[in-house]
Amino acid sequence: DTGVSQDPRHKITKRGQNVTFRCDPISEHNRLYWYRQTLGQGPEFLTYFQNEAQLEKSRLLSDRFSAERPKGSFSTLEIQRTEQGDSAMYLCASSRQGNEQFFGPGTRLTVL
Amino acid sequence: DQQVKQNSPSLSVQEGRISILNCDYTNSMFDYFLWYKKYPAEGPTFLISISSIKDKNEDGRFTVFLNKSAKHLSLHIVPSQPGDSAVYFCAATGGFKTIFGAGTRLFVKA
Repeated sequence: DTGVSQDPRHKITKRGQNVTFRCDPISEHNRLYWYRQTLGQGPEFLTYFQNEAQLEKSRLLSDRFSAERPKGSFSTLEIQRTEQGDSAMYLCASSRQGNEQFFGPGTRLTVL
Repeated sequence: DQQVKQNSPSLSVQEGRISILNCDYTNSMFDYFLWYKKYPAEGPTFLISISSIKDKNEDGRFTVFLNKSAKHLSLHIVPSQPGDSAVYFCAATGGFKTIFGAGTRLFVKA
């Protein structure tokens, strides 16, 4: 058990570019979550997968955001046509059946 | 709408004393509450939790108290240690979605 991993750890991009982040959850965890965190705030829920099914999406997740978990293992979060307001830490978490979530280290996105 | 509020952005405590971190919530549908700790450059790590059917849960130096009528919970750390210095997030869940507070930064002075 190596924990939740996220790649890349840092991403700097220009406004208008597309970016994709990857999350590898703990292997036996069937639930996967994406959050966004900005300075001085707690993590904000973006979306939730149970196995490969995306069961809930936040209103924060605009049409420019899409998340997938094709085989119920790793997940990707893509942001199209990035805007400066997308700059944030993007956190991934996984869990088995309980409420306790295990977080990855996050991907820090900076949009110039 | 802030369904989970941590009104103290920071707290400073002397080593060996008790740290009390507070959290208020507004949604009576929440049925499970959690505390996470976060160090810089790391993701949050789970600390302790409590179900809405209980009013206290203890794990070593950490105790969480839940007052459902007041929609308030608190985390007690005793004795506080310098290694406890971190940001503490309160979180609440009533289904798939977990709502986090803005966090309280705890400083434990040696």
